[in-house]
Amino acid sequence: NAGVTQTPKFQVLKTGQSMTLQCAQDMNHNSMYWYRQDPGMGLRLIYYSASEGTTDKGEVPNGYNVSRLNKREFSLRLESAAPSQTSVYFCASSEDRDLGQPQHFGDGTRLSIL
Amino acid sequence: KQEVTQIPAALSVPEGENLVLNCSFTDSAIYNLQWFRQDPGKGLTSLLLIQSSQREQTSGRLNASLDKSSGRSTLYIAASQPGDSATYLCAVEGNNRLAFGKGNQVVVIP
Repeated sequence: NAGVTQTPKFQVLKTGQSMTLQCAQDMNHNSMYWYRQDPGMGLRLIYYSASEGTTDKGEVPNGYNVSRLNKREFSLRLESAAPSQTSVYFCASSEDRDLGQPQHFGDGTRLSIL
Repeated sequence: KQEVTQIPAALSVPEGENLVLNCSFTDSAIYNLQWFRQDPGKGLTSLLLIQSSQREQTSGRLNASLDKSSGRSTLYIAASQPGDSATYLCAVEGNNRLAFGKGNQVVVIP
């Protein structure tokens, strides 16, 4: 009963380093999302993928890239990490974006950039 | 741009009391409204989803209402329990994105 699995759970990076956050879902959902959660800012959408093979920018895409590797997996890449990217990152999935189905969230990746 | 507001940011109630959490949004052209629960260090769990054509949804002790014209939703939790302690987030879907409020942090006192 895994649902949405994110790896790693915690990571500390130095400014300028790169890394990829992994996300996989086992619910056969078409749509997947990446959010960041910051104190006082709420959750903000970084990128989303409405279906396999498509990706679109959300509210705060700068400094990030995404890859929808297949239907199950959606990764988020920081090419050159900056302290402003210190945050908790959540991946989510839903059956179909156009049907207004609830989103299912992973437990998050806590990322600190020094 | 859709703005979602949840007031108060934090509240405490004695066990057994009914909880009433409010959410307001600025743009009534929404697709649906969702209520989530978030426990410390965890992700979000979907509680209820109300389509724009609906007025309310119920699940067990939880009831959520939606008044699109006034831009408001209310989440009722009947007979609160210590296990209801968490942060509750309201999110409005429209314009191809989900806009979140900052949450109501709830503590139910035994």
